[in-house]
Amino acid sequence: GAGVSQSPSNKVTEKGKDVELRCDPISGHTALYWYRQSLGQGLEFLIYFQGNSAPDKSGLPSDRFSAERTGGSVSTLTIQRTQQEDSAVYLCASSLGRTGVYNSPLHFGNGTRLTVT
Amino acid sequence: GESVGLHLPTLSVQEGDNSIINCAYSNSASDYFIWYKQESGKGPQFIIDIRSNMDKRQGQRVTVLLNKTVKHLSLQIAATQPGDSAVYFCASSSASKIIFGSGTRLSIRP
Repeated sequence: GAGVSQSPSNKVTEKGKDVELRCDPISGHTALYWYRQSLGQGLEFLIYFQGNSAPDKSGLPSDRFSAERTGGSVSTLTIQRTQQEDSAVYLCASSLGRTGVYNSPLHFGNGTRLTVT
Repeated sequence: GESVGLHLPTLSVQEGDNSIINCAYSNSASDYFIWYKQESGKGPQFIIDIRSNMDKRQGQRVTVLLNKTVKHLSLQIAATQPGDSAVYFCASSSASKIIFGSGTRLSIRP
């Protein structure tokens, strides 16, 4: 289909609640990334999935953050016991292969804006 | 730690002039570099990329220059238009880990 799709586009939640953010990558893209972008800031790497390999979780800021990718396609980022500092735009991106190996740039969705009150 | 930085957080140019956005990276093992454009409320959009075995690559109205000696890359936009107003990010890649800079906001004066 079209590009990377993320849902919801906006999410307001109370501090302490859990949230799930969804990403539908471009069909056929084997690599999937999650980034976090705070207001007026750059992109902070969170987690990377490549095919059936174990994900690179090195960017997850705490054990409250986790992500899954089912069937090599859709991915869900879960934040447990949300804190106000989790408020940000969460961006998902996919690429054809291992970026840098296949010269395959990331294609981004429009993100989920998360606000923790 | 590894970082990608930009020389200026904001850049204002006259419509029709050329724009040059600079970026420095720290990881000498980076072998692939990408420039993205981000408009308000949207995700970053791919502009142009370059591999480390090249020092220049041109696209439509855009040119990326890479200087591996000083770990510096730049994005040149020719004949800047109002639609070029956005935040521009550089990114470097090493072993599939992609690090983004903090962004430069480009504004266009009429």
